[in-house]
This record gives sequence, structure tokens and C-alpha cells, in this order.
Amino acid sequence: QVQLQQWGAGLLKPSETLSLTCAVSSESFNAYYWSWVRLPPGKGLEWIGEIRHGGGPHYNSSLESRATISLDTSKNHVSLQLSAVTAADTAVYFCARVSDYGGNSYFDYWGQGSLVTISS
Amino acid sequence: DVLLTQSPSTLSASVGDRVAITCRASQSVRTWLAWYQQRPGMAPQLLIFDASRLKPGVPSRFSGSGSGTDFTLTIASLQSDDFGSYYCQQYDSYPSSFGQGTKLEIK
Repeated sequence: QVQLQQWGAGLLKPSETLSLTCAVSSESFNAYYWSWVRLPPGKGLEWIGEIRHGGGPHYNSSLESRATISLDTSKNHVSLQLSAVTAADTAVYFCARVSDYGGNSYFDYWGQGSLVTISS
Repeated sequence: DVLLTQSPSTLSASVGDRVAITCRASQSVRTWLAWYQQRPGMAPQLLIFDASRLKPGVPSRFSGSGSGTDFTLTIASLQSDDFGSYYCQQYDSYPSSFGQGTKLEIK
């Protein structure tokens, strides 16, 4: 059973950098794409980007190059950094495994979610 | 980018009802469409992928249909456990995108 456990700072001020980490319990970590998705209050889900060992990353252009997704394959960690945050970045952030179809596919396992609030 | 429009935005139904949620894409996504259920405070759970393929372990009362631009998620006989929000997702082209969600309430 694949498990994703995520953590990071929950309250940030405008212009700061959001940083989240997702630890994955999976023997096939290097074989899959790993993604970040967010859910702003009152809105729908938004794909942030994805990465795989030896492939990607791919990002949603709507984030205007503020997002950085990285891997630590020695720890099976996937990380998200989002710079210059504003109130519009307030959301629940999820890490998720992309299916074995490869990049840009559906998500079959999800982290528990991390609420990040941006407020001065 | 592909825009997905779900309808209705909210839905109230009784246990035992047949419920349908639609998802319309701004351009063809072939059958590269998934459906998720999200209960409050929880992560989304995959129900359907490739438009009509049921994820193993998901109750058979859930079904998906459609191709191209028009898709439907149907719950054959609504159960009390089915409350929450439902989202469609296209993965035909980058960036992947989601519908705005349908909130399902049990009467």
C-alpha cells in the first residue's frame, strides 16, 4: 500500500516562500511521476505540476514560474516551493502519485493535504 | 488550456435516488477523463478513470460514460456515504485540469 505523508508551514505572510514536503512509502518511487495539486477555498482543484526521477518537471503556466518541484530520491521525498505568495495562494495543498500511465495522468494515491494560509 | 464545466454545482438527493453529474470539456479530451470524490477535510479519492473504468474497490453503483467533450458520472442508488464534492479531471493535454466541482448533499 502506497502512503503519502506531507508537512510544511501553515501560515505565511505575503511575498514569502511556501515550502511543503511529501514523504512517500513506495518501493517504486523512482518509477512514477509525483504531483502537487491545490484546492483554494470555494474553488476547484488546480494542478500545480509534476516530476519524476529522470523526467520533468512540468508546471502549470498559471503559476508564472513561481513553483519549483523537486525530488530527494535518497529519502523518497517530493517537495514544493512556491515563491512570492499572495492571498490567492491560500489553499489546501496535496501531493499525489500520478498513475502508471506516466506523466499527465490521473492520480491514484494522495497525501492527507496541508492547509496553507497567506495573511499579513 | 482545457476548461471543464461541471453541472450542477450543487445537488441535493435522497438515499436510493439515481444521480447524474455532467462534465463538459472545451475541446475533445477523447476518453482521458477521471472522476474523484472528496469528503470534507479529506483527500480526493479516485472513482473512475479513462472515462468509464471503475477503480478496483469502488462500489459498482458508480459508473462513468462519455467521450470527446461530454461525460457523465452516475450513482445508480445513492447511499448516505456518497456525500461530498465530485470533480472531473482531464489528462489529455498539459496542463491537466479539473472541473469546478459538484457538491452533493444527502437529504
